[in-house]
Amino acid sequence: RKEVEQDPGPFNVPEGATVAFNCTYSNSASQSFFWYRQDCRKEPKLLMSVYSSGNEDGRFTAQLNRASQYISLLIRDSKLSDSATYLCVVSRWTGGRRALTFGSGTRLQVQP
Amino acid sequence: EPEVTQTPSHQVTQMGQEVILRCVPISNHLYFYWYRQILGQKVEFLVSFYNNEISEKSEIFDDQFSVERPDGSNFTLKIRSTKLEDSAMYFCASSEDQGGEQFFGPGTRLTVL
Repeated sequence: RKEVEQDPGPFNVPEGATVAFNCTYSNSASQSFFWYRQDCRKEPKLLMSVYSSGNEDGRFTAQLNRASQYISLLIRDSKLSDSATYLCVVSRWTGGRRALTFGSGTRLQVQP
Repeated sequence: EPEVTQTPSHQVTQMGQEVILRCVPISNHLYFYWYRQILGQKVEFLVSFYNNEISEKSEIFDDQFSVERPDGSNFTLKIRSTKLEDSAMYFCASSEDQGGEQFFGPGTRLTVL
């Protein structure tokens, strides 16, 4: 089983739509959770961290369900500029050091 | 805004040759990382580095790979004898502390012929 699993998409949505992505992780020892965004042939960039209580940043809302080991990202009022691949990322402490484990990403295409 | 830089942006090499990929992390960061992404696949962790030594490495990071911080600013990844399957985008990242956000550089695209 993959350590981090995501639906690869693509999700094709019109501008203004609300879209949600889910991600599951297999290692219950995972301690930190993130959503990164990656544009084509570019580096990953942190979109937001995900906290147990859920958190919101403008049009983006992230949720974490530790019992079910899944993470979600909700994008409201989609913009053309939201078109990208969204990477679910988990990490765990290993002797005080942290490496990131990436999912394969979910591709979003927002259409005019 | 400070950023991680990487050189070269694209490296083409023959199988069996050695390559060195260079990174300049953000100046006050203490933790450094290398990741790779084979075209069309996910980003994979290679190695983390702190206080002039490797903190953690993945199964990918075998004896063909090494990292070094030769001076106060550069962080390098060396591949001793490149294989076709080493062709990938290599990303360097750095963070201020061990729990902090990792900032990624723009990557070096390595093509092994």
